[in-house]
Amino acid sequence: GAVVSQHPSRVICKSGTSVKIECRSLDFQATTMFWYRQFPKQSLMLMATSNEGSKATYEQGVEKDKFLINHASLTLSTLTVTSAHPEDSSFYICSARAPTGGDEQYFGPGTRLTVT
Amino acid sequence: QKEVEQDPGPLSVPEGAIVSLNCTYSNSAFQYFMWYRQYSRKGPELLMYTYSSGNKEDGRFTAQVDKSSKYISLFIRDSQPSDSATYLCAMNSGGYQKVTFGIGTKLQVIP
Repeated sequence: GAVVSQHPSRVICKSGTSVKIECRSLDFQATTMFWYRQFPKQSLMLMATSNEGSKATYEQGVEKDKFLINHASLTLSTLTVTSAHPEDSSFYICSARAPTGGDEQYFGPGTRLTVT
Repeated sequence: QKEVEQDPGPLSVPEGAIVSLNCTYSNSAFQYFMWYRQYSRKGPELLMYTYSSGNKEDGRFTAQVDKSSKYISLFIRDSQPSDSATYLCAMNSGGYQKVTFGIGTKLQVIP
């Protein structure tokens, strides 16, 4: 149980275009999902907390107009990187809070974004 | 000072060895502790989680928490080449507060 999927696993896009990444909880309902970014040899950096039916809460320094998050259902959250630039190239990982009500999170497989 | 300190390694051990992975933390409010395993280019996989001080065992894995010393450990017995991955510690103060992750320790188990 507690399986989280992400799509696409890899995406290459041109500078200036927008990219949408989907995060789905497959076997449970997730009222809260999280979006992280991970650079090589660095820890996971929380970008935002996504709550179903309400606006996402962004971490300090994360541009909400650039990283649009929508959590329209209990099993789907999306992250759209708008007007992508090469510096946005990174590994983006979503997670969902455990269905048991604990603080642990279950992660998706990640999306490798490369902006050329 | 980072809230969570973790040696990035790499740590190389022979197959069958007992592996000890550790994290220290500075925030005394942390009371919920997790260990994740992350293979290259994949998302982290939850291995263990615990609220309390002491030991928690699951198969070849044992998580140990010492709140008085602000020190947590993950032990892997009879290590296998398939255990080669990066191991991340994570923790928060409970109550759905933000989870803070360590940088991860890269482990290589040599056949």
